[in-house]
Amino acid sequence: QSVLTQPPSASGTPGQRASISCSGGSSNIGSHPVNWYQQFPGTAPRLLIYNNNQRPSGVPDRFSGSKSGASASLAISGLQSVDEADYYCEAWDDTLKSVVFGGGTKLT
Amino acid sequence: EVQLVQSGAEVKKPGESLKISCKGSGYSFANYWIGWVRQMPGKGLEWMGIFYPGDSDYKYNPSFQGQVSMSADKSISTAYLQWRSLKASDTAIYYCARRLYLDNRPFDYWGQGTLVTVSS
Repeated sequence: QSVLTQPPSASGTPGQRASISCSGGSSNIGSHPVNWYQQFPGTAPRLLIYNNNQRPSGVPDRFSGSKSGASASLAISGLQSVDEADYYCEAWDDTLKSVVFGGGTKLT
Repeated sequence: EVQLVQSGAEVKKPGESLKISCKGSGYSFANYWIGWVRQMPGKGLEWMGIFYPGDSDYKYNPSFQGQVSMSADKSISTAYLQWRSLKASDTAIYYCARRLYLDNRPFDYWGQGTLVTVSS
């Protein structure tokens, strides 16, 4: 059971918008920035969004992040087939003194 | 260019020991935490622990404490993850990743992963 809760799956059609939620608590998302990672099958995770809504260089602006209270979300606009991947949220947890990940969401 | 290059795939028997490595380049290795993340077959990412090469500070996920040990040799910019006695349930891909600060920075660069297979 992951500390951060994500839906196991999400879907969309090309060109549409998809959204993935990440729910936590006051000791993690409520107190610290949220990061999002993208992982394609057979490859290492890649940083997609950091500090709630910042994109590293090279990440298309179709990807955006937001946070409100103890929840965060990742939005992907103008969906493309290449966006099919697993997405994970992550934050530091003050109580556990640990990095905590969400269980991951498979985007189809 | 920042790179984390991990050692190659391993096939081991239950009860054997193992040490895998993660070599950093293109940045000041001692000044970034190196985290270890497990991904069991078909499963999600699990944070195992994190090690600071600069002063050997560390933090373990309680689920992994006592099961593995982390270390680093900053003279050769290499971090290690070690098992004394492997179990079949240790079969997984293990990733290293760097992080500037624990609480407000992400894992911004990742190694390619090391597949560990434990089977009799």
